[in-house]
Amino acid sequence: NAGVTQTPKFRVLKTGQSMTLLCAQDMNHEYMYWYRQDPGMGLRLIHYSVGEGTTAKGEVPDGYNVSRLKKQNFLLGLESAAPSQTSVYFCASRVNYRGSVVNTEAFFGQGTRLTVV
Amino acid sequence: SQQGEEDPQALSIQEGENATMNCSYKTSINNLQWYRQNSGRGLVHLILIRSNEREKHSGRLRVTLDTSKKSSSLLITASRAADTASYFCATAGGNAGGTSYGKLTFGQGTILTVHP
Repeated sequence: NAGVTQTPKFRVLKTGQSMTLLCAQDMNHEYMYWYRQDPGMGLRLIHYSVGEGTTAKGEVPDGYNVSRLKKQNFLLGLESAAPSQTSVYFCASRVNYRGSVVNTEAFFGQGTRLTVV
Repeated sequence: SQQGEEDPQALSIQEGENATMNCSYKTSINNLQWYRQNSGRGLVHLILIRSNEREKHSGRLRVTLDTSKKSSSLLITASRAADTASYFCATAGGNAGGTSYGKLTFGQGTILTVHP
């Protein structure tokens, strides 16, 4: 099983450019998450999705958009990249077990290192 | 703001010693989870403790949860150099149908270094 796969793994953008990060999971999980990780800040939740076609804002959603058109994919978009968005981005997914996601663990991708210059 | 905050931010010990990390959180939770992150890698789930549990063990890991103090601790016994990593607590809260249901928020992490 591939688990959670993020593409690309590395990317350098110029300020103002746009890009989309792709997260794909093959575990049939309902819940998916996008986090960013910065030194000394831990992981901060950007957006998350509780199912196909649904998205919700996390702690730091500004400057990002997401879409969950297919259950297995969760896309994170940067419309106009800024240097403040230089970070490592992680995607995660959780299963909805017997109608509840409450007591389930998250599975993480390997991360996307994004630099905005 | 972060839901969970770990303490200490960094911990350096010798192989064979025990390592204790603490996590404090602010709001009510359904469970608290601990994750490990090796340098340059994604997070890996270690252990989950439910809000109605006080202590849980898994191999060399021992987790405690005190909901009255809104705190948890992770103890790694007989540490090894391979335990060197960052450790994060994560809280899962919210009621079904509520606005925060399904959210999973992380703390800032503790960097553990185990010297051979």
